[in-house]
Amino acid sequence: NAGVTQTPKFRILKIGQSMTLQCAQDMNHNYMYWYRQDPGMGLKLIYYSVGAGITDKGEVPNGYNVSRSTTEDFPLRLELAAPSQTSVYFCASGYTSALGETQYFGPGTRLLVL
Amino acid sequence: LAKTTQPISMDSYEGQEVNITCSHNNIATNDYITWYQQFPSQGPRFIIQGYKTKVTNEVASLFIPADRKSSTLSLPRVSLSDTAVYYCLVGDYKLSFGAGTTVTVRA
Repeated sequence: NAGVTQTPKFRILKIGQSMTLQCAQDMNHNYMYWYRQDPGMGLKLIYYSVGAGITDKGEVPNGYNVSRSTTEDFPLRLELAAPSQTSVYFCASGYTSALGETQYFGPGTRLLVL
Repeated sequence: LAKTTQPISMDSYEGQEVNITCSHNNIATNDYITWYQQFPSQGPRFIIQGYKTKVTNEVASLFIPADRKSSTLSLPRVSLSDTAVYYCLVGDYKLSFGAGTTVTVRA
């Protein structure tokens, strides 16, 4: 299994540009998440999904949009990029068991908005 | 979501045991306690998870007292490669990552 994959690894955007961060998982997990991590900080939840066709906002959703048309894919869309969106973006997928939820993270996408 | 409090940083030496305590006073009945590890430039990695008492795996042990208002992650005989940020999370899903505890292991 490839696990959770993210593309691109690194991107530079100009202010006002748009882009889509791709995330895919091959573990058939129902839960998927997008986080951002600013330097020296913890992860903040942007959006999450509990299954195909179902998405909901996290702590910091403004400036982002998501869709979940399949179990495997959970793209994150940035419209009108701003310098405040410079960050590392992590996608994760998760499953629940009798012991709780376990999340698996992708390698991250570094985004620089200039 | 239950709020967690853990130390900002801890220093240790190779071969020592590191214990990180996390406070979660308002943990709910359905909540599990999960710990993740994050190395620089990588996504977090699941370490261990538990509900009550003690859980042990090949990497760490997790001690949870009867009242479940705190938990302690124990890393036995740490090495330089255990230098990382450790996150304590409480909940059933949609877990919230705080700032974590930066553990620095020195030779």
